[in-house]
Amino acid sequence: DAKTTQPTSMDCAEGRAANLPCNHSTISGNEYVYWYRQIHSQGPQYIIHGLKNNETNEMASLIITEDRKSSTLILPHATLRDTAVYYCIVRARQYKAAGNKLTFGGGTRVLVKP
Amino acid sequence: GAVVSQHPSRVICKSGTSVKIECRSLDFQATTMFWYRQFPKQSLMLMATSNEGSKATYEQGVEKDKFLINHASLTLSTLTVTSAHPEDSSFYICSVSRGLITEAFFGQGTRLTVV
Repeated sequence: DAKTTQPTSMDCAEGRAANLPCNHSTISGNEYVYWYRQIHSQGPQYIIHGLKNNETNEMASLIITEDRKSSTLILPHATLRDTAVYYCIVRARQYKAAGNKLTFGGGTRVLVKP
Repeated sequence: GAVVSQHPSRVICKSGTSVKIECRSLDFQATTMFWYRQFPKQSLMLMATSNEGSKATYEQGVEKDKFLINHASLTLSTLTVTSAHPEDSSFYICSVSRGLITEAFFGQGTRLTVV
């Protein structure tokens, strides 16, 4: 799985959009970009994933550059409950359950401030 | 609603005793579950892959005799920390996934403190 690079931490203002960058310059053609977050003392929570098209769901939007070497997770209206560590993970789509293990990097510690 | 239920959420045990942590898949049958460990201010590290009806697969550096995994049914995997020591104090998290659905679902985690 390709390596990802994320800023260690960032602060966001409540009610504003939070843009979380991730670099994955060695991503290969069959690898997806996944985002998870971990609120303090809880298990990680899936947010969104994409291959090359931009994706949006009820939680966030994922913008992937045309060369796929980087992506941005957008939380449209950050709330205090969005304070968490956000992990960007790149891996190939799995077709067997045994392959669904994840390799977590350091992530970005996001603090949403009032 | 929750897809994965992990129990207990918090446990304190004495050094030398064993502790069992349960991970239940609530919404679907899981032939495979994963166990992770997270030390304070660090990221999650995969410990082992739990396979229903067969032996678990352990990551390099994880002692299989110390961290016993049993996956006796399609909805339950257990992790037993045997002869626990203070250095085993950590946050243990399980996850499940479906074969063709790519996102993983995680339990709430178990905070183990060995005194």
